[in-house]
Amino acid sequence: GNSVTQMEGPVTLSEEAFLTINCTYTATGYPSLFWYVQYPGEGLQLLLKATKADDKGSNKGFEATYRKETTSFHLEKGSVQVSDSAVYFCALNPGGGADGLTFGKGTHLIIQP
Amino acid sequence: GAVVSQHPSRVICKSGTSVKIECRSLDFQATTMFWYRQFPKQSLMLMATSNEGSKATYEQGVEKDKFLINHASLTLSTLTVTSAHPEDSSFYICSARGVAGAGANVLTFGAGSRLTVL
Repeated sequence: GNSVTQMEGPVTLSEEAFLTINCTYTATGYPSLFWYVQYPGEGLQLLLKATKADDKGSNKGFEATYRKETTSFHLEKGSVQVSDSAVYFCALNPGGGADGLTFGKGTHLIIQP
Repeated sequence: GAVVSQHPSRVICKSGTSVKIECRSLDFQATTMFWYRQFPKQSLMLMATSNEGSKATYEQGVEKDKFLINHASLTLSTLTVTSAHPEDSSFYICSARGVAGAGANVLTFGAGSRLTVL
């Protein structure tokens, strides 16, 4: 079946540090991959996505590259801010669209001033 | 942008009672809505997919008689947890997808509803 594994948190970093949150997946076919972010008290928001191998999704300084050879979609940001503190979810859709997503457990990111 | 509202955000009920959670798309028509359940430190698990005007499609292992889903209009879907028990305590999250306007072809999530069954 389909599954998503992401690093467990919480991850605590200082402001302006480099961020990597690992995500690997198992899926049949050619899934689309997503990163969602959930700020305290709010719903999940799409952060970025990639629909095919070697695609790079980017938004708000965050990037993730769809690596089919390693079945990974690691989230990176060069310099984090306190406002980036949130829970980040990696997700996939095996059918290529945005329906019926399979999520990872989420990684709680804490950025300290 | 597209907004999805869930109500109530928190609910506490006694074992054996039924609880209804509403999911509303505020500025777009949601042809499809999804209900997820999230246990502490666990993934969001898809429970069911509902299309406006038709019966919901439940994921394997989800009791359709336990979790009643109604999607009677293009802006409202409801999840009713019937005869709730403590093991039903969880965080329930809905998402919606529209076909036009602000919600077109994107998944917009509600903020979630935390159910505690005593």
